[in-house]
Amino acid sequence: GAGVSQSPSNKVTEKGKDVELRCDPISGHTALYWYRQSLGQGLEFLIYFQGNSAPDKSGLPSDRFSAERTGGSVSTLTIQRTQQEDSAVYLCASSPGQGPLTQYFGPGTRLLVL
Amino acid sequence: AQSVSQHNHHVILSEAASLELGCNYSYGGTVNLFWYVQYPGQHLQLLLKYFSGDPLVKGIKGFEAEFIKSKFSFNLRKPSVQWSDTAEYFCAVRSTDSWGKLQFGAGTQVVVTP
Repeated sequence: GAGVSQSPSNKVTEKGKDVELRCDPISGHTALYWYRQSLGQGLEFLIYFQGNSAPDKSGLPSDRFSAERTGGSVSTLTIQRTQQEDSAVYLCASSPGQGPLTQYFGPGTRLLVL
Repeated sequence: AQSVSQHNHHVILSEAASLELGCNYSYGGTVNLFWYVQYPGQHLQLLLKYFSGDPLVKGIKGFEAEFIKSKFSFNLRKPSVQWSDTAEYFCAVRSTDSWGKLQFGAGTQVVVTP
């Protein structure tokens, strides 16, 4: 597609359940990023993938959060044993590579943990 | 610690008024600077960016920003706003030794009244 796509657009889950959020980057973009946008915390970096390099996981808030990127394209962000404080909008972005390149953002997945 | 500060959380102004949003950062090295905008119900879009060269950069929709290195600032301006400029504006900084991480400010909600 023309832009970054994310699914689902909205997700409601119960505390303690696992969730998976999906991101399809712009075709040909080798770099992929996850951010979280929540009230009181603003926009926070979570994780960054660049090609076949080891991902930069330094922004993941706890070991309940993990992400993978299969085949250098689609990425899945998994949150295990969700907590209410995980409620946020999870944003994915991609760029053509690393270096001084612009990140293009998707519409986000709004997660609500009850 | 590295940080990005946006001075105003909410701004309300009338159409045709001038807009200036402040952004200061605390990074010791070379940085890339961005302003993103999020219109109601839409995803983050790039307004403008500074990587190097002329510190006065022009973006879409009549916006411009000036990088003042000595002040660690990257303020956004528009001489005459329109109702359609109602949105949330985010300043973001990326250090050149960490390409993957955009550090965002808290955002400024701008409301333009007709």
